[in-house]
Amino acid sequence: AQSVAQPEDQVNVAEGNPLTVKCTYSVSGNPYLFWYVQYPNRGLQFLLKYITGDNLVKGSYGFEAEFNKSQTSFHLKKPSALVSDSALYFCAVWGANAGKSTFGDGTTLTVKP
Amino acid sequence: ETGVTQSPTHLIKTRGQQVTLRCSSQSGHNTVSWYQQALGQGPQFIFQYYREEENGRGNFPPRFSGLQFPNYSSELNVNALELDDSALYLCASSRQGSNQPQHFGDGTRLSIL
Repeated sequence: AQSVAQPEDQVNVAEGNPLTVKCTYSVSGNPYLFWYVQYPNRGLQFLLKYITGDNLVKGSYGFEAEFNKSQTSFHLKKPSALVSDSALYFCAVWGANAGKSTFGDGTTLTVKP
Repeated sequence: ETGVTQSPTHLIKTRGQQVTLRCSSQSGHNTVSWYQQALGQGPQFIFQYYREEENGRGNFPPRFSGLQFPNYSSELNVNALELDDSALYLCASSRQGSNQPQHFGDGTRLSIL
């Protein structure tokens, strides 16, 4: 069965500092990996995806993610955090065998001024 | 382009009742997925519809059923409601293909008393 783990429930960073939100996954075959962000009382918004190719993927709002096959990780990063980045972040994997997307339980990012 | 819209935004039901939730897909999208998001958890896949046929199902009992219409809008029906069905129900549409990002509505908050 495929799974996603987001080991940190909460990440706190100061504005202007780099941020990392961690994600590891387990899936049969090649993974399709996604990051989404959720603001309070809203649905999820797509940030970026990895399908194949370059291990560093660039997405919306200055976010990027690094795919590491050997570590089965897909960590979300941003060089300089903004207070407005504070939100709930979800990592998701789609696997061909399961034929569905599996989401992690989310990481709450808080950026303090 | 019009985004994904869900109705109603909030709903209160009692145990044993039945409920129908509605979703209008983003224009150009022919695939709809439904998710259940309990408080503090990530979205859990319920099922997906493509061209009016169920195209994958998660670990939800048969009392969770759905429909997709020719205009790609969709309904989620839940019979014999239980207290544990209280959650945010999210609809997501996408273009055909597993590597396509999903576009989410803002959800329907269902409370079971």
